[in-house]
Amino acid sequence: AQSVTQPDIHITVSEGASLELRCNYSYGATPYLFWYVQSPGQGLQLLLKYFSGDTLVQGIKGFEAEFKRSQSSFNLRKPSVHWSDAAEYFCAVGEIQGAQKLVFGQGTRLTINP
Amino acid sequence: ETGVTQSPTHLIKTRGQQVTLRCSSQSGHNTVSWYQQALGQGPQFIFQYYREEENGRGNFPPRFSGLQFPNYSSELNVNALELDDSALYLCASSFLGLGDTEAFFGQGTRLTVV
Repeated sequence: AQSVTQPDIHITVSEGASLELRCNYSYGATPYLFWYVQSPGQGLQLLLKYFSGDTLVQGIKGFEAEFKRSQSSFNLRKPSVHWSDAAEYFCAVGEIQGAQKLVFGQGTRLTINP
Repeated sequence: ETGVTQSPTHLIKTRGQQVTLRCSSQSGHNTVSWYQQALGQGPQFIFQYYREEENGRGNFPPRFSGLQFPNYSSELNVNALELDDSALYLCASSFLGLGDTEAFFGQGTRLTVV
């Protein structure tokens, strides 16, 4: 069965600092991987996705993620965070036909210190 | 804005009652999925509808049911509400067809069962 683990429940970084959010997945085939962001009381917004090809993917808002098959990881990074990046971040794995059925991690809450 | 709209935004129901949540898919999409997000958790897949037929179901009891209409809008029905059904219910629309795709989420319906 597919599963996603986000080891960090809560991360605090200072504004302007770099950020890395960890994601490990378990899936029997080549996974479709996603990062979503959720502001309080809101729905999910797609930051980026990996289907195939280049293992370093660029997303919106200056985020990027790297797919590492050997480590079953898909970590999210940003070189310099802004106060507006404070939110909940979810990693998800989708079935082979794309984002038709997603399995989500439990999320990482990001707090930004001024 | 994703083009996926859900109604109502908030709802309070009493244990044992029935509830219907609605979702209007993004134009051109033929698939809708429903997710339940309990407080502090990642979304969990309830079921998916493709061309008005159920196309997969997560680990939810039969009292969770759905419909998809010819215009690809959708309903989620929950009978015999329990306190644990209190959650944010998210609808996601996508296009199931050739090639890779992604899911677009609505803002969600916050259901409180008292």
